[in-house]
Amino acid sequence: SYELTQPPSVSVSPGQTARITCSGDALPKQYAYWYQQKPGQAPVLVIYKDSERPSGVPERFSGSSSGTTVTLTISGVQAEDEADYYCQSPDSGVTYWVFGGGTKLTVL
Amino acid sequence: QVQLQESGPGLVKPSQTLSLTCTVSGGSISSGDYYWTWIRQPPGKGLEWIGYIYYSGSTYYNPSLKSRITISIDTSKNQFSLKLSSVTAADTAMYYCASYYYDNSGYRLFDYWGQGTLVTVSS
Repeated sequence: SYELTQPPSVSVSPGQTARITCSGDALPKQYAYWYQQKPGQAPVLVIYKDSERPSGVPERFSGSSSGTTVTLTISGVQAEDEADYYCQSPDSGVTYWVFGGGTKLTVL
Repeated sequence: QVQLQESGPGLVKPSQTLSLTCTVSGGSISSGDYYWTWIRQPPGKGLEWIGYIYYSGSTYYNPSLKSRITISIDTSKNQFSLKLSSVTAADTAMYYCASYYYDNSGYRLFDYWGQGTLVTVSS
């Protein structure tokens, strides 16, 4: 079955740039979506279609794609950005959707 | 803005069928703009996409759960439902319903989520 691979954890100091990657074989053909999840809350979409930002999401959140890897970049990280982040994308035939394993972002 | 609310038993016995309903407000479940989705998250673990249904009744399921899942839609009640059979402790999770919005070009854009409901499988 199709899988998306994320690093388990990323740590950055406030004001620095955090980059979270997600790798999958179908990513050159399919868009990726990124979610932020804070403890006890439902996930919130922060990036759709690889690099589009929903209304209300701060500009410091951006997304990019290169080959089989997509990247969520958080510029000028703030303490409130500490959360779990998940990528999501469909298999090549768009018959089902998959989440990456999640990355815990720690703001030092 | 579409709002979703999950409902159903919080405790299910092993080998039984888990049944949840998602009630949609602020929009019609018969809208062709949305796919109505179920997602779950075991305690302390990651997200797992379960499946979704279109207003026409077309369904798409996670291959790893496909043999045990049924997602259905009731347009008269503006609800969609999940049934997961032969549950075990591994099915203990927070279950979320969500709606994926698609544009006229067929691209998925934003989504709406319910707050989630915790289902525990235990005797």
